[in-house]
Amino acid sequence: RKEVEQDPGPFNVPEGATVAFNCTYSNSASQSFFWYRQDCRKEPKLLMSVYSSGNEDGRFTAQLNRASQYISLLIRDSKLSDSATYLCVVSRSYNTDKLIFGTGTRLQVFP
Amino acid sequence: EPEVTQTPSHQVTQMGQEVILRCVPISNHLYFYWYRQILGQKVEFLVSFYNNEISEKSEIFDDQFSVERPDGSNFTLKIRSTKLEDSAMYFCASSEGAGSGNTIYFGEGSWLTVV
Repeated sequence: RKEVEQDPGPFNVPEGATVAFNCTYSNSASQSFFWYRQDCRKEPKLLMSVYSSGNEDGRFTAQLNRASQYISLLIRDSKLSDSATYLCVVSRSYNTDKLIFGTGTRLQVFP
Repeated sequence: EPEVTQTPSHQVTQMGQEVILRCVPISNHLYFYWYRQILGQKVEFLVSFYNNEISEKSEIFDDQFSVERPDGSNFTLKIRSTKLEDSAMYFCASSEGAGSGNTIYFGEGSWLTVV
């Protein structure tokens, strides 16, 4: 079983739509959780950290369910510039030494 | 905004040749990393480096790989004898600290093609 699993997509949505991505992780000892964004052939960039209480940053909302080992990302009012691959990332410790990446979910926002 | 810089951006090498990928981490950062991403696959951790020594490495990081911080600014990844399966994008990254409040910043990557 993969340590971090995501639906690869692609998710094709119109501008203005709300889209949600899910991710599950297999190691219950995982301590830190993140969503990264990766544009085609570019480096991953941190979108947001994910906390147990849930957190929001503008149009983006992340949730963590430790009991179900499940992480989600909600994007409201999608923009064309949101088109990218969204990577679910976990770390086994409170250190960020070793990040474990999912394969990513591809989002394509169309006009 | 400070950034991690990597050179070369793209290198083509023959199988069996040695390759050195170079990185300049963000200047006040103390933790350095190499990750790789084979085309179409996920980003994979290779090694972390702190206080002039490897702090953790993955099973990918075998004896063919080595890292070095030869001076106060550069951080290098050496692949001694490249194989076809080493073809990938190699990302250098750095962070100020290692706690969960610290962000890891990635460089733009070095695309290695082994032929």
